[in-house]
Amino acid sequence: DAKTTQPTSMDCAEGRAANLPCNHSTISGNEYVYWYRQIHSQGPQYIIHGLKNNETNEMASLIITEDRKSSTLILPHATLRDTAVYYCIVRVYGGNQGGKLIFGQGTELSVKP
Amino acid sequence: DAGVIQSPRHEVTEMGQEVTLRCKPISGHDYLFWYRQTMMRGLELLIYFNNNVPIDDSGMPEDRFSAKMPNASFSTLKIQPSEPRDSAVYFCASSRGAGNEQFFGPGTRLTVL
Repeated sequence: DAKTTQPTSMDCAEGRAANLPCNHSTISGNEYVYWYRQIHSQGPQYIIHGLKNNETNEMASLIITEDRKSSTLILPHATLRDTAVYYCIVRVYGGNQGGKLIFGQGTELSVKP
Repeated sequence: DAGVIQSPRHEVTEMGQEVTLRCKPISGHDYLFWYRQTMMRGLELLIYFNNNVPIDDSGMPEDRFSAKMPNASFSTLKIQPSEPRDSAVYFCASSRGAGNEQFFGPGTRLTVL
């Protein structure tokens, strides 16, 4: 699986958009970008995933560059409850090894009042 | 659905004792995953199952660790004998399909004295 690089930490003001970047310059054509987050003391929670088109759901938007070497997770109106560690993961969808999630260090997002 | 259920939530044991962690996946999910989280190593995938069959156990640290899935609704992770370096939070997760969202349980915090 391709490796990802994320900033160690970020701050965001409550009510503002949080933009979390992720670099995955060695991504392969059949690899998807997944985002999970982990709120303190809880299990990780799925946010969103995509291949090459931008994706949006009730939690967030995922913007993937045209060359697919980087992506940005956008939380449109961050709240204090969005304070968490955010993980960007690249992996193949499905297949015999498609179930594996390899977590890096993630970005620790602090939403401040 | 109650989500992924793990027991116990907390376990304190002494070095050399056998420890058994339990997981009930979400009904209808065909993939089950065991992860371990420590401050030093972050979140690590230990093993995962598809339709009760182990697919990849390359993350299991050593022979002291074993995992079983006797049926679709139950899995165990056993450590025998336990050592202080096994102290960690152990998460179980399940998914429907290899590439789909993984749902994590609340975790079992293991302390080996």
